[in-house]
Amino acid sequence: DQQVKQNSPSLSVQEGRISILNCDYTNSMFDYFLWYKKYPAEGPTFLISISSIKDKNEDGRFTVFLNKSAKHLSLHIVPSQPGDSAVYFCAASGSARQLTFGSGTQLTVLP
Amino acid sequence: DAGVTQSPTHLIKTRGQQVTLRCSPKSGHDTVSWYQQALGQGPQFIFQYYEEEERQRGNFPDRFSGHQFPNYSSELNVNALLLGDSALYLCASSLDRGSFTDTQYFGPGTRLTVL
Repeated sequence: DQQVKQNSPSLSVQEGRISILNCDYTNSMFDYFLWYKKYPAEGPTFLISISSIKDKNEDGRFTVFLNKSAKHLSLHIVPSQPGDSAVYFCAASGSARQLTFGSGTQLTVLP
Repeated sequence: DAGVTQSPTHLIKTRGQQVTLRCSPKSGHDTVSWYQQALGQGPQFIFQYYEEEERQRGNFPDRFSGHQFPNYSSELNVNALLLGDSALYLCASSLDRGSFTDTQYFGPGTRLTVL
């Protein structure tokens, strides 16, 4: 039973364009959502987070949008750069404090 | 400011053996969580330690156990290794502010191969 789903295993985008990564969740008890980026042979690196009381959070080129009624969140990267090529994981947590991860989306930014 | 560190980087064991993985949290952090990441999947929560006690546990058998020391570092022990235990083991640390919005920061992981 996957509580956090990333339905696109891969995404290719041209440098300078917008990258949009999507994530859906089923557990309505989740109240905090995070995006992590992972390069090969490294641990996940925290990118940006959003709590359920907000619908948008922005940090530089990264913006996360949360639609609670649809149980959907997305990460926008503008403009995309070749160095952004990595696996992106969506994660969610609630009062249990444990992170539940999606299966990841491989983003490739083409020069 | 040192981030989360883990040792060893790689480990090869045979079925039935026991293994111990180690983690030092980011400076100023007091909470350590362990995750297992199988190939092609997202990390799965094993357990979390706070104040030297296991606070939360995921859906993993008792063969997986842990410990947290007074300096907040932590160990993950796996007994009676199975082939299916081959994975990347990730440690994450955070500062407990009494909120579930505490952000977890990950180490580079230990790659365990069971033959």
